Amino acid sequence: EAGVVQSPRYKIIEKKQPVAFWCNPISGHNTLYWYRQNLGQGPELLIRYENEEAVDDSQLPKDRFSAERLKGVDSTLKIQPAELGDSAVYLCASSLADSSTGYTFGSGTRLTVV
Amino acid sequence: AQKITQTQPGMFVQEKEAVTLDCTYDTSDPSYGLFWYKQPSSGEMIFLIYQGSYDQQNATEGRYSLNFQKARKSANLVISASQLGDSAMYFCAMREHPGNQFYFGTGTSLTVIP
Repeated sequence: EAGVVQSPRYKIIEKKQPVAFWCNPISGHNTLYWYRQNLGQGPELLIRYENEEAVDDSQLPKDRFSAERLKGVDSTLKIQPAELGDSAVYLCASSLADSSTGYTFGSGTRLTVV
Repeated sequence: AQKITQTQPGMFVQEKEAVTLDCTYDTSDPSYGLFWYKQPSSGEMIFLIYQGSYDQQNATEGRYSLNFQKARKSANLVISASQLGDSAMYFCAMREHPGNQFYFGTGTSLTVIP
């Protein structure tokens, strides 16, 4: 079984440019999460989807960040325009609705804004 | 208040020895789950072990065990017979019910010494 797939693995952009990250969750996992992990810290939730509905986006900086999960499967996270402080690892995870095995994470996208 | 506290930024252990990574949590929800994840330098978050708040026995998974002390709100991870491949960041996490909020600690960097 394929795990959570994220792309790209690394991305370097100049500030004020747009950037997008893609995530393909594990087949059958209806819950999808985007996390941001700053250097030396734990992941922090940006947004959680149940199927195609964003049920928790309270931590998403909506002035520059957007996300979508149109068909309840793949998801895209976008930043426009990027700022220097957005440099971080962006992790996608998926799970069944109430899994006791936690989430399955992707390998993440390491974003560097210069 | 921090939901998850990991007070050990870095730990060292001799190969083949056991090591305990500390984690305390804060919640007023009677139903919650506690998780430990390993994050090697590659960046992927790897699920290690789960403990439910109503579980009577401490969780074990191979060389990993969770020392769950509910009254003290602690959920320490014990790794027995450490291996060089155990060198990584370790994150404690909690999920509360309902709402499926998921919180991570700041992590502990473990280095296994040959």
